[in-house]
Amino acid sequence: DVKVTQSSRYLVKRTGEKVFLECVQDMDHENMFWYRQDPGLGLRLIYFSYDVKMKEKGDIPEGYSVSREKKERFSLILESASTNQTSMYLCASGPGQGRGGREKLFFGSGTQLSVL
Amino acid sequence: DQQVKQNSPSLSVQEGRISILNCDYTNSMFDYFLWYKKYPAEGPTFLISISSIKDKNEDGRFTVFLNKSAKHLSLHIVPSQPGDSAVYFCAASLYGGATNKLIFGTGTLLAVQP
Repeated sequence: DVKVTQSSRYLVKRTGEKVFLECVQDMDHENMFWYRQDPGLGLRLIYFSYDVKMKEKGDIPEGYSVSREKKERFSLILESASTNQTSMYLCASGPGQGRGGREKLFFGSGTQLSVL
Repeated sequence: DQQVKQNSPSLSVQEGRISILNCDYTNSMFDYFLWYKKYPAEGPTFLISISSIKDKNEDGRFTVFLNKSAKHLSLHIVPSQPGDSAVYFCAASLYGGATNKLIFGTGTLLAVQP
């Protein structure tokens, strides 16, 4: 069974803290994504990566950075957490351009982050 | 600017009847569309997809219709079951350099009443 694992289910942090959200996939997928889900706004793409050490900005990258040192792991970093970053964060992976081309994504269960 | 819109935040349907979930998009460059289903406390899971060269795709109780001229797609669930109660997201695929990225809609909460 395919698996995308997010390290924390719930996380509470203080304003100004540096926050790391970790995601690991076991499907040897090339592409990995970070989304945030907010009521009334749906899922919005923060960053994605199509190869190790490669990254591209999504629609709302401000205040975030990412790291992909290994193919299976994609980390989302909040450099200085703010209250407007309180959200559900969802990691996803996809097989990539060379394998069918059209993305069917596999999602983790999400991390509910609260910034106080 | 919301490129993929689901104008109905919620929908309530009786068990056994048809559920119709709608989705509109603005970017004519989208060429592949997907529906995802999300239960509380779980990540979204893929449900069904359609390429822009088709106007219909069917998988069991689920059928997706695409009207390119209207930039509109819909998901039909027949018959609806209580286990179908979830948030449904439509998504559109846009080629973005080295890979495709998905643009999601805002979601529709479907409640199927027994």
